[in-house]
Amino acid sequence: KNEVEQSPQNLTAQEGEFITINCSYSVGISALHWLQQHPGGGIVSLFMLSSGKKKHGRLIATINIQEKHSSLHITASHPRDSAVYICAVVYGGSQGNLIFGKGTKLSVKP
Amino acid sequence: DGGITQSPKYLFRKEGQNVTLSCEQNLNHDAMYWYRQDPGQGLRLIYYSQIVNDFQKGDIAEGYSVSREKKESFPLTVTSAQKNPTAFYLCASSIGVPSYNEQFFGPGTRLTVL
Repeated sequence: KNEVEQSPQNLTAQEGEFITINCSYSVGISALHWLQQHPGGGIVSLFMLSSGKKKHGRLIATINIQEKHSSLHITASHPRDSAVYICAVVYGGSQGNLIFGKGTKLSVKP
Repeated sequence: DGGITQSPKYLFRKEGQNVTLSCEQNLNHDAMYWYRQDPGQGLRLIYYSQIVNDFQKGDIAEGYSVSREKKESFPLTVTSAQKNPTAFYLCASSIGVPSYNEQFFGPGTRLTVL
């Protein structure tokens, strides 16, 4: 079962480009999280949202509840943005726990 | 500095041996989680605990055991019954349920069974 689908799986960009990573889910959710995993394995929470849009620095996350879709945008991308970006959702059937997508591996070239 | 620590970062064990992975947090969080990550797959929940002295099985609990005797600590034991234990293990914590609360992750332990 794949409640959470991310696209693309891999993404290569040039420094300065605008990046979009997509996340689609198949169930009604109570929250959606965007996470960043660096090459060493550590994971950092970027956003948690249940509606609308959030912005932090060059990162923007949006969610469309009706379409069951969220996007993570990176403006003016930089090589230090290279990481795996993971979408995770919480829904009624998950006992309040996170269900994770497989991640999008982003590589930003200088 | 508040955070989550996991030790060791790399762990090697012989097949058939039990091994315990450490997870400690000083964030005063009630909830703690153990996840497993395999190449090409999303994180999968092994066990979680929402309060001291209580824990619940996640999606892939078979071959694992946990304890939660202290709020700060949530060790995971990988037993010999786990058929494919080689993986990257991540511990996380949050104030409460993920519906409303950010999860904080430890640096992970990479377990290799030889």
